[in-house]
Amino acid sequence: QVQLVESGGGVVQPGGSLRLSCSASGFTFSYYGMHWVRQAPGKGLEWVAFIQYDGNNESHADPVKGRFTVSRDNSKNTLYLQMNGLRSEDTGFYYCAKGPTSQVPLTFFDFWGQGALVTVSS
Amino acid sequence: EIVLTQSPGTLSLSPGERVTLSCRASQTVSRNSLAWYQQKSGQAPRLLFYGAFGRATGTPDRFSGSGSGTDFTLTISRLEPEDFAVYYCQQYGTSPLTFGGGTKVEIK
Repeated sequence: QVQLVESGGGVVQPGGSLRLSCSASGFTFSYYGMHWVRQAPGKGLEWVAFIQYDGNNESHADPVKGRFTVSRDNSKNTLYLQMNGLRSEDTGFYYCAKGPTSQVPLTFFDFWGQGALVTVSS
Repeated sequence: EIVLTQSPGTLSLSPGERVTLSCRASQTVSRNSLAWYQQKSGQAPRLLFYGAFGRATGTPDRFSGSGSGTDFTLTISRLEPEDFAVYYCQQYGTSPLTFGGGTKVEIK
């Protein structure tokens, strides 16, 4: 069955950096576009970033553009989110989510990981 | 961007009751590209419907999705104890992808 397991969360000071990883199994990772979605504690969901199946196209939400970078290593079945210049408003759970297609960014999310908690605080 | 407004914010109901959740978009959702998710406390969201009414694998028959254009509905015909959760709608017809604020269905 599809499994997505995030890691790399933690506490970081404002302005700091963190890299999240998402290890995928149970499907052919290299065939599918992948997303990051975040959720501030007690709040709603917010799309963060998308990367297509081969890593050759990505997009980021405006609030994180220029600070966050999504990437993937298909040889390791792993998705990444490099987060730089972190702010308090970036605090929350970060979920990796699988898209149903290979390269279309406008999709729903058919499987989700359990999330990694990122806390930005001094 | 398309703003999705979900109503009501919270519903207090008893098992066995019928539930209707609303998701209204600020502009037409292209190709009825709307999905519904269920999120239980401490868990990740789970896909229920896509394309407004396309049932995801594992979604029970008591759930149904409907609507088009700017108005979409998620209906639960008879609430089961495991259905108490927060429900989100999401549009994927226009960039950026956006979610509604959620409706919490709680036990009365």
